[in-house]
Amino acid sequence: ILNVEQSPQSLHVQEGDSTNFTCSFPSSNFYALHWYRWETAKSPEALFVMTLNGDEKKKGRISATLNTKEGYSYLYIKGSQPEDSATYLCASPGANNLFFGTGTRLTVIP
Amino acid sequence: GAVVSQHPSWVICKSGTSVKIECRSLDFQATTMFWYRQFPKQSLMLMATSNEGSKATYEQGVEKDKFLINHASLTLSTLTVTSAHPEDSSFYICSARDSRTSRARGEQFFGPGTRLTVL
Repeated sequence: ILNVEQSPQSLHVQEGDSTNFTCSFPSSNFYALHWYRWETAKSPEALFVMTLNGDEKKKGRISATLNTKEGYSYLYIKGSQPEDSATYLCASPGANNLFFGTGTRLTVIP
Repeated sequence: GAVVSQHPSWVICKSGTSVKIECRSLDFQATTMFWYRQFPKQSLMLMATSNEGSKATYEQGVEKDKFLINHASLTLSTLTVTSAHPEDSSFYICSARDSRTSRARGEQFFGPGTRLTVL
């Protein structure tokens, strides 16, 4: 079992503000780090799969960085919009499955 | 993109009955599917890994006789909650990984989940 932690648990931001949150994971035997976005009443959707230390990936206004040596990843959202409201999950692969954090629930207030 | 469907999306049943939940990969083959359960305010907890053509691998603490998993084809896995009780009420969600991708780099594709309420 891999201990994957996310903070904060929930977050409220005003529309237009930028925000970020954290995922921490065991740095030993690192293989990959996944980020998912889970909107209410929809399926979790993969955002990024990151494998290399120092990786930075971007998808529109959302980007993520990875530090495998210290065991953390940041997810950034620039200029938050109401449609960004969702739970953001990170996960680290085990032998044949993913271990998920508890997620950060983001609410963007119009 | 890869789509996973899950049926039903919600179900209410009486205590003692069995409930079957289906998970289908619609446009890709999945030799491996995963069943998760989510308790309120908690993370997705892996219940079992469903392997096409063989027995499922259950996580510690998950009763295999209670949560029957069948993965009869490359696109369908089913979870049957047998003799359901109120404590089985939860959100169940499945995912599938495209058979062509590696375990780490290949993201999982999720179904929309099933809300089970046992009265």
